[in-house]
Amino acid sequence: QKEVEQNSGPLSVPEGAIASLNCTYSDRVSQSFFWYRQYSGKSPELIMSIYSNGDKEDGRFTAQLNKASQYVSLLIRDSQPSDSATYLCAVIAGNTGKLIFGQGTTLQVKP
Amino acid sequence: NAGVTQTPKFQVLKTGQSMTLQCAQDMNHNSMYWYRQDPGMGLRLIYYSASEGTTDKGEVPNGYNVSRLNKREFSLRLESAAPSQTSVYFCASRDKGQGNYGYTFGSGTRLTVV
Repeated sequence: QKEVEQNSGPLSVPEGAIASLNCTYSDRVSQSFFWYRQYSGKSPELIMSIYSNGDKEDGRFTAQLNKASQYVSLLIRDSQPSDSATYLCAVIAGNTGKLIFGQGTTLQVKP
Repeated sequence: NAGVTQTPKFQVLKTGQSMTLQCAQDMNHNSMYWYRQDPGMGLRLIYYSASEGTTDKGEVPNGYNVSRLNKREFSLRLESAAPSQTSVYFCASRDKGQGNYGYTFGSGTRLTVV
């Protein structure tokens, strides 16, 4: 079992819709969770971090964490074509400080 | 601008050649990391340095060596390049300050081994 798993997609949504991206992780002691956005040919860019159960909102982005289910999600409201990118879920593994990535989900927002 | 600087941006090597990828950060971060990214594989950790003077293996260390030259610089060396090492390499550093444990990434080095 991979430590961090995502559906590779592509996930296709129409402009203005809500995009929902999901991630599961295997290490129960993980405490820090991140979503990165990566445009083609570019480096990953941190867009959300979450450390506690529940929701965290930042503009059009909402991160959700459920430690009991070992599940992290990212909601993008009012999706725009400029949101089309690969979204990487990442987890700091246990107490090591190492950031472990999922394989990424490709999001396509169609005008 | 503050951030993580990687050199070179592109490199083509012949099988068996050696090279060093350079990484420097000016954010006074303690921890630095080297990742490789292959299509459909996400980013995989090669080596990391939790602090100046220490280095540890990540998920895929075989064929690589690293040096933490000082707090700013962390280099990755390929002693004898192989086609399987064709990849995009990212260096990152980490801020362990209050409220921010995320990593900052460099722009990447695109390496092709022929």
